[in-house]
Amino acid sequence: QKEVEQNSGPLSVPEGAIASLNCTYSDRGSQSFFWYRQYSGKSPELIMFIYSNGDKEDGRFTAQLNKASQYVSLLIRDSQPSDSATYLCASEASKIIFGSGTRLSIRP
Amino acid sequence: DAGITQSPRHKVTETGTPVTLRCHQTENHRYMYWYRQDPGHGLRLIHYSYGVKDTDKGEVSDGYSVSRSKTEDFLLTLESATSSQTSVYFCAISPPDSNEQFFGPGTRLTVL
Repeated sequence: QKEVEQNSGPLSVPEGAIASLNCTYSDRGSQSFFWYRQYSGKSPELIMFIYSNGDKEDGRFTAQLNKASQYVSLLIRDSQPSDSATYLCASEASKIIFGSGTRLSIRP
Repeated sequence: DAGITQSPRHKVTETGTPVTLRCHQTENHRYMYWYRQDPGHGLRLIHYSYGVKDTDKGEVSDGYSVSRSKTEDFLLTLESATSSQTSVYFCAISPPDSNEQFFGPGTRLTVL
């Protein structure tokens, strides 16, 4: 069974700090990796995707991929209360596999 | 939103009854997906479709069937609902030449 593992949290971060979310995957054939944000009672929305080793930045978000370690992370700089949500990591080989999500709480 | 609607948005039904959930898209995308989301399990793929009348199973397909007679509609049917199928169901679509998925608003199904 191919898996994507995330710490369920909650992860509590003070406003303005950097939030670091981590994810590991088991399928070495995975080529694409995604981060989705899901507010309570809402549907997931894609915020970042990454295909290559290294960092990819988009505004306050940075996705990091290390295929040798089978590790993906998401950094959120200058965390805001509106960033409080559950963050889902996903990897794709032949199909997309989602992790169960990390709940992030930004405290004022 | 990516032009995806789901109906109904909420449904309560009894064990043993058939249930059909509808996903409708206005984007004309080939790929459509049905997921269920349960606490502690994240999103799990039930079935997906890569075109009209072309469907395949996901990781949790037992007890579910799907149909796609038109590009814009993807139906998920629970032939005989069980309490273990109480969940939130999400439909998703994927643009051509892209691995990104865009999700509908979800259907909360309760089987008593």
